[in-house]
Amino acid sequence: GAVVSQHPSRVICKSGTSVKIECRSLDFQATTMFWYRQFPKQSLMLMATSNEGSKATYEQGVEKDKFLINHASLTLSTLTVTSAHPEDSSFYICSATNRGNYGYTFGSGTRLTVV
Amino acid sequence: QKEVEQDPGPLSVPEGAIVSLNCTYSNSAFQYFMWYRQYSRKGPELLMYTYSSGNKEDGRFTAQVDKSSKYISLFIRDSQPSDSATYLCAASQGAQKLVFGQGTRLTINP
Repeated sequence: GAVVSQHPSRVICKSGTSVKIECRSLDFQATTMFWYRQFPKQSLMLMATSNEGSKATYEQGVEKDKFLINHASLTLSTLTVTSAHPEDSSFYICSATNRGNYGYTFGSGTRLTVV
Repeated sequence: QKEVEQDPGPLSVPEGAIVSLNCTYSNSAFQYFMWYRQYSRKGPELLMYTYSSGNKEDGRFTAQVDKSSKYISLFIRDSQPSDSATYLCAASQGAQKLVFGQGTRLTINP
């Protein structure tokens, strides 16, 4: 089945630094990738949608200059949290889908802690 | 009003019981309906995927969609302790963003 690999699974960084999270589709070409944020005991909140080769579409209230998304190839999307602050600490999850397959596959998530 | 509503629970049932999880939605344009299972600190795992109305069965799991009442259900037969997780319903209009319910925390007690 479709597999999405997300790295790192856990990262701790200092306030003011930037963190990059990678999301790779291993056995299919992901025409669209999504980035979510999840707070404890809450559902997934969509942050942005990215299509290969084009700019990401951000949901209302999500700062595009703070959460930089790059989808440079059909198998790789990255989320960079710039100038991270403690309030950015959260669980970030990516998902991917390919054309014709609507069973979105999720990565295993990245737990970011900003200290 | 949220586009997809789901009772967050928590729901606790004894092992072997039939579990019924439900969601309602408001957007009549939704055509694709999914159930995901999420274990603590893990990404969601697709359980069931349904297009339009109808039933779909996979082992102990049955998904139902009733578009006339905008109601989505997931039934788990012969529930096991390993089924303890958060279950998320989701809907979409196609290869577009998923809209998730709040998730229901389920515990199966041995």
